[in-house]
Amino acid sequence: QLQLQESGPGLVKPSETLSLTCTVSGGSISSNTYYWGWIRQPPGKGLEWIGSIFYSGSTYYNPSLKSRVTISVDTSKNQFSLRLSSVTAADTAVYYCARLGSASYSFRNWGRGTLVTVSS
Amino acid sequence: QTVVTQEPSFSVSPGGTVTLTCGLSSGSVSTSYYPSWYQQTPGQAPRTLIYSTNTRSSGVPDRFSGSILGNKAALIITGAQADDESDYYCVLYMGSGIWVFGGGTKLTVL
Repeated sequence: QLQLQESGPGLVKPSETLSLTCTVSGGSISSNTYYWGWIRQPPGKGLEWIGSIFYSGSTYYNPSLKSRVTISVDTSKNQFSLRLSSVTAADTAVYYCARLGSASYSFRNWGRGTLVTVSS
Repeated sequence: QTVVTQEPSFSVSPGGTVTLTCGLSSGSVSTSYYPSWYQQTPGQAPRTLIYSTNTRSSGVPDRFSGSILGNKAALIITGAQADDESDYYCVLYMGSGIWVFGGGTKLTVL
């Protein structure tokens, strides 16, 4: 059974870089059947797609975040990662990683999410 | 910037049927947007209900169904139950590796 687990600091200072990793178990991140993605949800608000990556390394980003986002994949560790630079309080959110079907273009499996707070 | 629209809130009586919709600020939703639907209860990760317009995810009861109605995608819940009270999000695939979430619908069962 596929599982995704987010990990990383729960507190980041303003202007610094938020870094999270998603560890995939029960399946290979190298499959050409899936994309891997990040989604966030500010407290009390809706979901926002941040970006996605294919196992080959091709990346796709939300245009509103593109200048600050980097997503990468480490196939040897079966992990993919998110870096969001120059964070502000508006980046405080629960961050989810997910597996997306490459044929269905949908979010098929979700991690439990991790809360990241931006504060000094 | 394309906006994906959903009703902010909706209510349904237990046992009733409700149709939640997912539209575009400009244009019509078709199967080419691969509409998908997600259910989220407070403090929990989203749960995938429907993908590719009308395919139920594994383990999802058949009282949840998806379709295209007019110029929008739709999630239909028949025989609503108390534990269907949740937030529901649709997602559209815009092409070129871009996904957009709707703002979500808060469904109340009362």
